[in-house]
Amino acid sequence: GDSVTQMEGPVTLSEEAFLTINCTYTATGYPSLFWYVQYPGEGLQLLLKATKADDKGSNKGFEATYRKETTSFHLEKGSVQVSDSAVYFCALRLRPNAGGTSYGKLTFGQGTILTVHP
Amino acid sequence: DVKVTQSSRYLVKRTGEKVFLECVQDMDHENMFWYRQDPGLGLRLIYFSYDVKMKEKGDIPEGYSVSREKKERFSLILESASTNQTSMYLCASSFYRLAKGETQYFGPGTRLLVL
Repeated sequence: GDSVTQMEGPVTLSEEAFLTINCTYTATGYPSLFWYVQYPGEGLQLLLKATKADDKGSNKGFEATYRKETTSFHLEKGSVQVSDSAVYFCALRLRPNAGGTSYGKLTFGQGTILTVHP
Repeated sequence: DVKVTQSSRYLVKRTGEKVFLECVQDMDHENMFWYRQDPGLGLRLIYFSYDVKMKEKGDIPEGYSVSREKKERFSLILESASTNQTSMYLCASSFYRLAKGETQYFGPGTRLLVL
């Protein structure tokens, strides 16, 4: 079945350090890929997404490139801030089926806790 | 602005109680979802609905049921709560547009403790 594997956390960094959170996937078909972020006490927010191979999603200084050849979608940021401390989830979604229903089930990784110290 | 609200942020219930978790979205989305979030397991889909009165089982439906009588409201029901249902429950909604794909919008979550 479809699955998403994220690097194990927690990840602890100092402010202005470089961040990479690895994400790899297995899927039948051709998925869209997402990174969601969950700040303390809140629900999930979409951080960025990519819908086809070689697409780069970016938002708030974060980037991730859809690599079909390595089935990966690693999250990167050049200089993290204390306010980036959160849980990050990688997810995939196969294209909605051709039967007419518009949903597309999301499959999530286990989440990676990031803590950034001043 | 997109908004998904959940009826409670925190709930404490006793084993065997019937529990209702409510979710409301104001974006006229067709699709709504219930997940549970547990440490080390990420989010797991319990049930989803792609239209009023329609529902589909997700990956872990056992012990749960759902109701969608109106487009904006999706309820998760624990018929007889058990301690292994202690978790964070997240509701989400989405729509699909061919040109833009689909994005799920999440509520703030309900942290349920079953004693």
